[in-house]
Amino acid sequence: DIQMTQSPSSLSASVGDGVTITCRASQSISNYLNWYQQKPGKAPKLLIYAASSLQGGVPSRFSGSGSGTDFTLTISSLQPEDFATYYCQQSYSTPYTFGQGTTVEIE
Amino acid sequence: QVQLQESGPGLVKPSETLSLTCTVSGGSTSRYYWGWIRQPPGKGLEWIGYIYYSGNTNYNASLKSRVTISVDTSKNQFSLKLTSVTAADTAVYYCARPNSGYWYFDLWGRGALVTVSS
Repeated sequence: DIQMTQSPSSLSASVGDGVTITCRASQSISNYLNWYQQKPGKAPKLLIYAASSLQGGVPSRFSGSGSGTDFTLTISSLQPEDFATYYCQQSYSTPYTFGQGTTVEIE
Repeated sequence: QVQLQESGPGLVKPSETLSLTCTVSGGSTSRYYWGWIRQPPGKGLEWIGYIYYSGNTNYNASLKSRVTISVDTSKNQFSLKLTSVTAADTAVYYCARPNSGYWYFDLWGRGALVTVSS
């Protein structure tokens, strides 16, 4: 199975800050990397697919980059509604696997 | 718009079978893939498997011996059965729709908490 490792596990930031979350795959996954946002008690919401494509309806302050084994999710200017847990997911091969999550908390 | 809704017992006894159904509203199960993902309380996400409307399936090998996913296109539903459950199977179970190109999950149900306990 492909292991996905996110860093950091949690971070504290203020409204307006820029934030970067990293996801590393245990082997090359090309650009088969997706990002989700999950708020407490809610289902995950797709933000970015194919490493850098923004899902419809997602604000442009979210962006993704990377290829191969190293990927990043960037939030350019944190808004109050962005405080949540973020997961990466590889869809290169089954079993599809997720990172352990990064919780973005209010500083 | 298309919506997914999980339904089924919230409590299952150890060694018994967990059964959940996902109802697709506002759209058809035909010509799409449909899947299940679970999340133990306070933990991360685990892909369980998916099914094509034609009945072809792909399961997580870690659960394969215990999992069955089926689809009923006449009812616009698909289902999950997990046999011989233990406390480790306690989780929120999500039904979701995987995109067949890049296999991301673009549509999710609200989730159903299933607790395994006697």
